[in-house]
Formats: sequence, structure tokens, C-alpha cells
Amino acid sequence: AQKVTQAQTEISVVEKEDVTLDCVYETRDTTYYLFWYKQPPSGELVFLIRRNSFDEQNEISGRYSWNFQKSTSSFNFTITASQVVDSAVYFCALDRDDKIIFGKGTRLHILP
Amino acid sequence: EPEVTQTPSHQVTQMGQEVILRCVPISNHLYFYWYRQILGQKVEFLVSFYNNEISEKSEIFDDQFSVERPDGSNFTLKIRSTKLEDSAMYFCASRGYSNQPQHFGDGTRLSIL
Repeated sequence: AQKVTQAQTEISVVEKEDVTLDCVYETRDTTYYLFWYKQPPSGELVFLIRRNSFDEQNEISGRYSWNFQKSTSSFNFTITASQVVDSAVYFCALDRDDKIIFGKGTRLHILP
Repeated sequence: EPEVTQTPSHQVTQMGQEVILRCVPISNHLYFYWYRQILGQKVEFLVSFYNNEISEKSEIFDDQFSVERPDGSNFTLKIRSTKLEDSAMYFCASRGYSNQPQHFGDGTRLSIL
């Protein structure tokens, strides 16, 4: 089965705290892509990252970092020094077989 | 940077009416998609389209739905007789080649009254 699980439905942290959003996926494919998207209250999907299954290097982009571990089928996302503007729903997703499978999302509240 | 454009941004329709959601994919892209997101839920795949035909469709994509690429630029999703449960955000996406990422439009929020 192809599946993406985001066990954290909702998280609230105080501004400037670090926060990690968990993502676990299931696939039988050997080649696949993983994504993170941000969905602000306005509703659009904002692309954050795409990671190839062969590339297990962690990635950092400013305050954002991603930890991909194939051994545990996880692709976790950390926001360092969170800001109020980071408040949104975050979706982890798996791209396989010509469609994207999304997790249910984690709603992140950053409290001032 | 080229982007996928969706119109309208918000559509309000009476139950039972037909609605057409429009998308202009990125020029030269070959693969086209529609996804749906019911309020507060996850984004779900509806249909993929390549070479002027449907490649794959989900269980959600029943006979009341259809897609069309009427000219070289537009990609439309038609819902024949809308139901209350069709109220959702509909996202269009396109990609160039099969190993390239999908690019999403900003979505059309469909409200069925």
C-alpha cells in the first residue's frame, strides 16, 4: 500500500521555539519522491521541498531542515526559531505512479 | 517563473447545476492533474491526463466528473450535476516530464448551495 502518515494533527508552540513535524510513508517502490507543502490560511499549496529516494542527505534551507531516513521510512521537517508566519497546515506527500499521495496534514500554530 | 493559473478563485453554484473549473497549465507541460481538498481534510488525487486522454482516475472521479483539454492551453474539470459534497478546493497541477515535479495552481474554492 502507498500511504503517508502524519501522526501529529495539531501542534502549538511559542514563537522562537523549534518544532519538528513527523512524516512516515509506505511504498513498495524503490524510486520515489517525497515532498513537503505548506498551506497557509489563504489555501494555496506552497512547495517547500522535493527529495529523491536515492538522496538521503539531510537538507537545510534557512530555518527549515529535513531529515530523510529510509531505514525508518521517515521524512521529518524541523522549523528552527519558529515565527508566527510559520502558522499553517503542513502536508507531507509521496509522488509515485503519476499521482501525489498526501498525508492528512499537521496544523501548526505559532503563538506570539 | 511560469505558473499554473486557475480561474475562478471562488465559484458559488446551486446544487444540481453544472460547473466548469478552468486551469491553464504551464506552457509545454505534458501531464495534467486535478486534486480535491474538502475543507479541513487532506488533498486527494482525482485524475491524471496525458496525450489527450485520462491516464488514471480515483474512485472519487465518477461519471459526474469529466476533464477536457479543449485547446492548446486550457485544462478543464466539469462537474455535471453538483452535490453539496462537491464543495471543496480543487487544485490543478501540471508537469513537463514524468520525473519532474508537479506544479500546483492556487486552487478554486467551489461552494455548492
